[in-house]
Amino acid sequence: EVQLLESGGGLVQPGGSLGLSCAASGFTFNNYAMSWVRQAPGKGLEWVSAISHNGGTTYYADSVKGRFTISRDNSKNTLYLQMNSLRVEDMAVYYCAKHGARTVTTIGAFYIWGQGTMVTVSS
Amino acid sequence: SYELAQPLSVSVALGQTAIITCGGNNIGSKSVNWYQQKPGQAPVLVIYTDSSRPSGIPERFSGSNSGNTATLTIYRAQAGDEADYYCQVWDSNFYVFGTGTKVTVL
Repeated sequence: EVQLLESGGGLVQPGGSLGLSCAASGFTFNNYAMSWVRQAPGKGLEWVSAISHNGGTTYYADSVKGRFTISRDNSKNTLYLQMNSLRVEDMAVYYCAKHGARTVTTIGAFYIWGQGTMVTVSS
Repeated sequence: SYELAQPLSVSVALGQTAIITCGGNNIGSKSVNWYQQKPGQAPVLVIYTDSSRPSGIPERFSGSNSGNTATLTIYRAQAGDEADYYCQVWDSNFYVFGTGTKVTVL
């Protein structure tokens, strides 16, 4: 069974840092691009960042560029999101999602989602 | 930045047809994906590349895309179809989601 399991969420003060992980299983992780998508409480979905199958290409939403870093360790079947200089507006459930191809493509869809991990930014 | 507009809510009688629109500038030139999200759950892909259904998604879900509007149609709506629905495209190195539509089955 294809599965994504996020971890690392929690409470952090504004300006602080937090690292999220997404453990993948049930598929050949290094064959697929991956993304992080977030959802603030009561709000819609917002794409955060994407990475190609080998980590060679990354993309970021303007709202997180320069503060967040996406990476992956294919030997550990794990996707990461390092979040620095966190703001109140970063508070959300963060989902990792599996693409349908190796690259981040114009027809890219998010085929499988994890259950999400909550990040709370508050003093 | 590219924007996708969806109606805030759509109501449909049990067994009838629900139509959810996703408006964007020349969206017909893009590939549109649709997600269903039930309360407290992660989103689920229901339509990809405008009109294709992933395995396990009922044939009652159908998608189309032309001009400035993409459409998700739910035929023979069931109580279990009550959820939020989001469209999504790729534009200029970003993935963009629509504003979301809450579907209520009466």
